[in-house]
Amino acid sequence: EDQVTQSPEALRLQEGESSSLNCSYTVSGLRGLFWYRQDPGKGPEFLFTLYSAGEEKEKERLKATLTKKESFLHITAPKPEDSATYLCAPLYNQGGKLIFGQGTELSVKP
Amino acid sequence: DTEVTQTPKHLVMGMTNKKSLKCEQHMGHRAMYWYKQKAKKPPELMFVYSYEKLSINESVPSRFSPECPNSSLLNLHLHALQPEDSALYLCASSQGDWYSPLHFGNGTRLTVT
Repeated sequence: EDQVTQSPEALRLQEGESSSLNCSYTVSGLRGLFWYRQDPGKGPEFLFTLYSAGEEKEKERLKATLTKKESFLHITAPKPEDSATYLCAPLYNQGGKLIFGQGTELSVKP
Repeated sequence: DTEVTQTPKHLVMGMTNKKSLKCEQHMGHRAMYWYKQKAKKPPELMFVYSYEKLSINESVPSRFSPECPNSSLLNLHLHALQPEDSALYLCASSQGDWYSPLHFGNGTRLTVT
């Protein structure tokens, strides 16, 4: 059975304290992975697509990396505005069906 | 601002009411989606339309009825809902290819009384 697990469930950081979020998965026919950010009461906002193991993408303080079995979202020197829930979703041969992990709720305090 | 527009933003309805949620996108996307999201949970897929045809129905109860009048519009008709159907309903669109990301609207917050 295809599974997606994100850890930790919640993460509290002080402003400037770097850390990483993890997304691990067991899916057949993995073809890549999406990362999204979701603010309370809003829809998910697309951040990155990673297509192959070893690929890295960066956007401001965020850097996403991909291996065959997991992906990391590294947050460098976070700011309070980075507080949100971060969701990952593996891309595989599912005919348009996108399944999200449970998410990591990030809180950055000033 | 999101390029996927959902109306209304909030909806309160009784269990005997009939209402509709609307979604519109003008990005030329060929696939449109309905997701349901409960508090502290990830979005769960309900329906997928590809080229205006229903391609995926995730065993959703018949009290939810999707409609795709054209490639830019997606509706979700609601009838005889239960209080447990209260949730954030999200619409999304994509180019329809397996590698294309979904672009989400900000949802309709539905409360069933």
